[in-house]
Amino acid sequence: DTGVSQNPRHKITKRGQNVTFRCDPISEHNRLYWYRQTLGQGPEFLTYFQNEAQLEKSRLLSDRFSAERPKGSFSTLEIQRTEQGDSAMYLCASSLVLGAFFGQGTRLTVV
Amino acid sequence: QKEVEQDPGPLSVPEGAIVSLNCTYSNSAFQYFMWYRQYSRKGPELLMYTYSSGNKEDGRFTAQVDKSSKYISLFIRDSQPSDSATYLCAMSASQSNNDMRFGAGTRLTVKP
Repeated sequence: DTGVSQNPRHKITKRGQNVTFRCDPISEHNRLYWYRQTLGQGPEFLTYFQNEAQLEKSRLLSDRFSAERPKGSFSTLEIQRTEQGDSAMYLCASSLVLGAFFGQGTRLTVV
Repeated sequence: QKEVEQDPGPLSVPEGAIVSLNCTYSNSAFQYFMWYRQYSRKGPELLMYTYSSGNKEDGRFTAQVDKSSKYISLFIRDSQPSDSATYLCAMSASQSNNDMRFGAGTRLTVKP
């Protein structure tokens, strides 16, 4: 499968715990994005990498969120001290030029 | 007012119908326009992208952009039950897509 891969697909965690998600983009894509999507809404931009450089972060990305892309390949998104409001689908996308290609997402439920 | 407005539907049509999906936007800097299809509990799938105004056709799908009216459309001809999904419009001012903004999505059901 040469598409964008995200792991895990589902994560249930207790409030206050830390969680980490992984994204493996399409191999030749140098741009990588994280989005968050809640029910009935379109994806909301969180952050953007070009190669290993994090070039933009949304105001939605509070201090509890951190993302890395250490070697310009895979990326991780960590949420510390999870809150119930963090429950959502976290989507990763990658692109080379126009049009971003999304993974299947990680569905996070905070209980 | 949201930057991108999209009627959430739901929209229900019989098989074979022509479907028209639309979005309006307020940011005149948007130049790149995309349509995504999202099945339940899956990630969005890129269907089409266009640059600036005009039409683009791909099989049963046609995308139209009218920048003067800040209005974009996706037409689906000969709709099939497998087209049942949520359709998201997205747009960006830059080619890097880091400023991409999505509509809320229109849920479409095509009945056999």
